[in-house]
Amino acid sequence: EAQVTQNPRYLITVTGKKLTVTCSQNMNHEYMSWYRQDPGLGLRQIYYSMNVEVTDKGDVPEGYKVSRKEKRNFPLILESPSPNQTSLYFCASSFGGATGELFFGEGSRLTVL
Amino acid sequence: GNSVTQMEGPVTLSEEAFLTINCTYTATGYPSLFWYVQYPGEGLQLLLKATKADDKGSNKGFEATYRKETTSFHLEKGSVQVSDSAVYFCALRGPLDSNYQLIWGAGTKLIIKP
Repeated sequence: EAQVTQNPRYLITVTGKKLTVTCSQNMNHEYMSWYRQDPGLGLRQIYYSMNVEVTDKGDVPEGYKVSRKEKRNFPLILESPSPNQTSLYFCASSFGGATGELFFGEGSRLTVL
Repeated sequence: GNSVTQMEGPVTLSEEAFLTINCTYTATGYPSLFWYVQYPGEGLQLLLKATKADDKGSNKGFEATYRKETTSFHLEKGSVQVSDSAVYFCALRGPLDSNYQLIWGAGTKLIIKP
């Protein structure tokens, strides 16, 4: 089954404790992206990757890191989480192109205390 | 720059009512237009899309027509069901965007009462 898998789905952590949210897709997509969703703010892009070893900042990259060492994986790293990073995070992937459909993971709800 | 504006929610309707969720956009050239749906507790999924002017996208009884003259892509359904309750996002991707980035509307929450 074609899917984007995120882990963990739920996480409560404390300020400053490094964490990684993993994302894996099995569709051989070149394009991958991370979004955060906050009430009243819609979806905001954090980082995206056009291919292996190619990453770039989205609209809200501060406080986050990513890497793309393999085509299928695109982890999101919070080196020193802060409460303002409490949010619902989505990973997405696509074949790319102007009309390509984005496939989303089920989301990771992160709470930073 | 490119932008998407969609009607604020929540929109509350009774079952079998007619649905319209408005979406207008600003973009240079001819963008591709999308509607994504997010059911409770799930990620977003593509509902329908249109890639050129006057195209009509359709899926699951929903329709939207790409209107270049009014820069709109309104979502419609003739008879909604309780299972249509979700958040709906309008989005565009510009023809010149080399990074495939989607520009998102804020989302419209739809609540259908039995």
